[in-house]
Amino acid sequence: QVQLQESGPGLVKPSETLSLTCAVSGYSISSGFYWGWIRQPPGKGLEWIGSMYHSGSTYYNPSLKSRVTISVDTSKNQFSLNLSSVTAADTAVYYCGRSRAVDFWGQGTLVTVSS
Amino acid sequence: EIVMTQSPATLSVSPGERATLSCRASQSVSGNLAWYQQKPGQAPRLLIYGASTRATGIPARFSGSGSGTEFTLTISSLQSEDFAVYYCQQCNNWPLTFGGGTKVEIK
Repeated sequence: QVQLQESGPGLVKPSETLSLTCAVSGYSISSGFYWGWIRQPPGKGLEWIGSMYHSGSTYYNPSLKSRVTISVDTSKNQFSLNLSSVTAADTAVYYCGRSRAVDFWGQGTLVTVSS
Repeated sequence: EIVMTQSPATLSVSPGERATLSCRASQSVSGNLAWYQQKPGQAPRLLIYGASTRATGIPARFSGSGSGTEFTLTISSLQSEDFAVYYCQQCNNWPLTFGGGTKVEIK
């Protein structure tokens, strides 16, 4: 069974960089599929952040593109999200997931941007 | 960017009744449309992909239809566990985009 688990700080200061990691078990990232990040502000809907193909190609939401980097560490079977220059508007539950139609999701991690 | 519009925003349905949720795309997404169910405090769960294919383990009471710009999710007989928020998502073009959601509540 494929499982994904997000990890990272739950509190980030404004203007700093939000960094999260998604550890994948039950499937090798390098074997295929897109791997991506989605977020959900409290009480609001889902927003796609970006995706990475197993070969390394990346696709980002244009509204976040200047601040987002998604990278992969195949040796650890995990991928990461960096979001720079955060503001309170970036406060959200962040999910990692597999595939464009996301068939496996992490449980989500709440990241709060506050001083 | 393809804009996904869901209607209605809230749907009040009695248990055992049929629920019909709509999703419209601002341009054609062919059949590359997914539906998700989300309950409070949980990650979304994939219900339908490819507009009409049920994901693994999804009950047959959930069905999807449509292509191009108009899509429908039908829940044939609502069970207590089906009261939740439902999102559509187009997977045809980058950036991937979600609809705003339909909350299915108990009437």
